[in-house]
Amino acid sequence: DAKTTQPPSMDCAEGRAANLPCNHSTISGNEYVYWYRQIHSQGPQYIIHGLKNNETNEMASLIITEDRKSSTLILPHATLRDTAVYYCIVKGSSNTGKLIFGQGTTLQVKP
Amino acid sequence: GAGVSQSPRYKVAKRGQDVALRCDPISGHVSLFWYQQALGQGPEFLTYFQNEAQLDKSGLPSDRFFAERPEGSVSTLKIQRTQQEDSAVYLCASSLARQGQPQHFGDGTRLSIL
Repeated sequence: DAKTTQPPSMDCAEGRAANLPCNHSTISGNEYVYWYRQIHSQGPQYIIHGLKNNETNEMASLIITEDRKSSTLILPHATLRDTAVYYCIVKGSSNTGKLIFGQGTTLQVKP
Repeated sequence: GAGVSQSPRYKVAKRGQDVALRCDPISGHVSLFWYQQALGQGPEFLTYFQNEAQLDKSGLPSDRFFAERPEGSVSTLKIQRTQQEDSAVYLCASSLARQGQPQHFGDGTRLSIL
């Protein structure tokens, strides 16, 4: 599975959009991009995933570049409860594959 | 609906004791994963089940770690003769069998070895 690179930390003002980048330049054609977040003392929470097209759900939007070498997770209106570690993970489509977590991005939403 | 449930939420054991950690996956989820998360680190894969078959145990750190899922639903992770370095949060995740389906995690068991 391809490796991902994320900034170690980011700040965002409450109510503003949080844009979290992820580089995955070695991604292969059948690999998905998954985003999880982990709030202190909880398990990782699935946010969104995509293959080629941009995706949106009730939590966030995922923008994947045309060459698929990078992506951005967008939280449209960040709240204090969005403060967490955000992990970008690239994994093949098989349901048997393990997730390989990097260090993630610590997002601090400030009032 | 109900998510992945893990018990106990916290476990304290003395070095050398055996412990058993339980995972109840989401109903109907064929795939089940165990991860270990050390303080300040991301989760690391331990083992994977598809139904009752353990298809990948490459992440188990030693032969003191053993996992089972005898009926293809509930799973137990057992650690024998615990050592201080086993202190960590143990996370369980489950997913459907379809391609690309995400894994859903429980809140983990925090294991402290004294």
